[in-house]
Amino acid sequence: DGGITQSPKYLFRKEGQNVTLSCEQNLNHDAMYWYRQDPGQGLRLIYYSQIVNDFQKGDIAEGYSVSREKKESFPLTVTSAQKNPTAFYLCASSRGTGPNSPLHFGNGTRLTVT
Amino acid sequence: AQSVSQHNHHVILSEAASLELGCNYSYGGTVNLFWYVQYPGQHLQLLLKYFSGDPLVKGIKGFEAEFIKSKFSFNLRKPSVQWSDTAEYFCAVIPWGGGSYIPTFGRGTSLIVHP
Repeated sequence: DGGITQSPKYLFRKEGQNVTLSCEQNLNHDAMYWYRQDPGQGLRLIYYSQIVNDFQKGDIAEGYSVSREKKESFPLTVTSAQKNPTAFYLCASSRGTGPNSPLHFGNGTRLTVT
Repeated sequence: AQSVSQHNHHVILSEAASLELGCNYSYGGTVNLFWYVQYPGQHLQLLLKYFSGDPLVKGIKGFEAEFIKSKFSFNLRKPSVQWSDTAEYFCAVIPWGGGSYIPTFGRGTSLIVHP
C-alpha cells in the first residue's frame, strides 16, 4: 500500500538534544510538508518542499531544520533552539504543487522533551 | 496573511442529531477549500473538497459542505451523526495567486457523539 510513514511513533528526548523525525513516502508525490499540531491550535506549517534539494520555511520554522535529498524522504530535525518542542508532528505530501492537490498525512510522531 | 476560523472548538451531540461546523476564511480572492477529519488514533484524511462549480459538495460518510462566497464560509454539515463520527475536524484553505499553494488550516473542532 502506498502511503506516508513517520517514525518513531513516540520519541522522548532530554532538553538540549537535537532530534530527527523521519518521514518517508512511496506515493511518488512531489511536495512534502511538516506541520506541528498542538491542542487548540490546529496545524501550523513548519517547513515545506516542492522539489528535491529545495525547501521553504513555513510559519513557525525557528528551531527546526529539514533536508530533501531524495524525493521520498523529508526528515525534520528539532534543534535545541526550539523553545517548546514537545508536540505532535505531522508529515504530509501532495501529488503536485498546485491548489488542487489535497494533502496525504502520516500517522504522526509525538515528541516529548523533558 | 490569510486566516481560517473555526468557531466551534468543541461540539457534543447525541446520535441522530444534525451537525453543522463553521469555517470562515479571510482571503478575498479565489480559494480552494477542504475539510479533513482525524478519527481517534488515525491519520488525518480528506473528507471533501471544493474547487469550483456547484457550491454544495458531498464527501465521504454522508458529509456535505456548502461554499457561500459572500460570507467567506465553507460550513460542514451532516443531517444525522453517528457515534463513529467522533473525531477532530479541520477546515483548510488554499488561496489562488500566491505562487506557492500551501494550505492554511483552522484550529480544528473536536466532535464527540454520544451513543
